[in-house]
Amino acid sequence: GEDVEQSLFLSVREGDSSVINCTYTDSSSTYLYWYKQEPGAGLQLLTYIFSNMDMKQDQRLTVLLNKKDKHLSLRIADTQTGDSAIYFCAERSNAGNMLTFGGGTRLMVKP
Amino acid sequence: GAVVSQHPSWVICKSGTSVKIECRSLDFQATTMFWYRQFPKQSLMLMATSNEGSKATYEQGVEKDKFLINHASLTLSTLTVTSAHPEDSSFYICSARDSGGIQETQYFGPGTRLLVL
Repeated sequence: GEDVEQSLFLSVREGDSSVINCTYTDSSSTYLYWYKQEPGAGLQLLTYIFSNMDMKQDQRLTVLLNKKDKHLSLRIADTQTGDSAIYFCAERSNAGNMLTFGGGTRLMVKP
Repeated sequence: GAVVSQHPSWVICKSGTSVKIECRSLDFQATTMFWYRQFPKQSLMLMATSNEGSKATYEQGVEKDKFLINHASLTLSTLTVTSAHPEDSSFYICSARDSGGIQETQYFGPGTRLLVL
């Protein structure tokens, strides 16, 4: 099956930028998503990017997509303690409706 | 924005009990809803795709007689864990696909934490 990989953990200081990386294998991906999950809660959609785009910016969030390398990243500018959470990338293939999730990256923001 | 609710948020039950979890799309219609299971510190595992008015599609390894899914309307899907056992304890999350949206984004519910004693 298709595979989505993320690093497990990232620690940054408050005010710094965070970059969370994701790689995927499905070359037919149409949309790629970033979700945020706070402890004990469901997933919150942060942003998404269509596969024919290479960048999308939304306030403090910047998504970069390198379709050739199948690499997706999420940059959070001016990271705050409230950004501490698990971040999941997910891809939706052209073949169906389902999302394939990465394992999640735990972001810890130190004051 | 699109809101998906789940009820209940917490369930503690005895082994052998059946538990029903509801997933509702509050401000949009969803012909397709998805049920996921998440173990501690792990990613989401898709259990099944729920289609309004038809049978659910289960992922490999998920017992359809164990996890009954009913998608009776465009805003409601239910997951019933029948004869729950301790190994069914998990965090169950549903999502609903906004059929009217351009990118058909999935919006997630807040999750239901099930603990079977």
